[in-house]
Amino acid sequence: DTAVSQTPKYLVTQMGNDKSIKCEQNLGHDTMYWYKQDSKKFLKIMFSYNNKELIINETVPNRFSPKSPDKAHLNLHINSLELGDSAVYFCASSQGDWDRSEQFFGPGTRLTVL
Amino acid sequence: KNEVEQSPQNLTAQEGEFITINCSYSVGISALHWLQQHPGGGIVSLFMLSSGKKKHGRLIATINIQEKHSSLHITASHPRDSAVYICAVRSRYGGAQKLVFGQGTRLTINP
Repeated sequence: DTAVSQTPKYLVTQMGNDKSIKCEQNLGHDTMYWYKQDSKKFLKIMFSYNNKELIINETVPNRFSPKSPDKAHLNLHINSLELGDSAVYFCASSQGDWDRSEQFFGPGTRLTVL
Repeated sequence: KNEVEQSPQNLTAQEGEFITINCSYSVGISALHWLQQHPGGGIVSLFMLSSGKKKHGRLIATINIQEKHSSLHITASHPRDSAVYICAVRSRYGGAQKLVFGQGTRLTINP
């Protein structure tokens, strides 16, 4: 069984479009995260959600919005896509906060904006 | 300069060699993570440390809080250990917290 899953795996879209990436975890974890990995493979955290409450929001443009319908899901909505949004986006989850337990990562979604 | 620096950036070794990857940070932290990213892109959490030393199979991670330094060791390295290893810390700035990642160390183990 996949612990943390993301859909789609690949997403190719035009500049200006609105898109969503879905993330689901079946580990019963209470904290979920979104990360962005740029073309230089540098990883950065975007959001951290605990019990449906945003606890970390790094300097991310407000075109990006996390949506958590329940504890097992944290979807990423992106409005007015720009070329610079092209990257690999990883979802992750953990039981407890970042400094209490290891993280489990999804397989990643490669977003290409044309 | 990044608050988290890893060395070396690239490391190539022969199968069986003992490997050390270093991570130095310049801020106060509450925890440090070592992550492994496979050539296919998947990321696996290896260790979470706040003090001392942890061992899992052939992997050992240590942290020295006073020196603000952590090391990841791989004993009896194998080609399947070839991956990018990433160090990440949760730092504290007064009441604020921030997650900071190193640039990664690309390890290649040749048979």
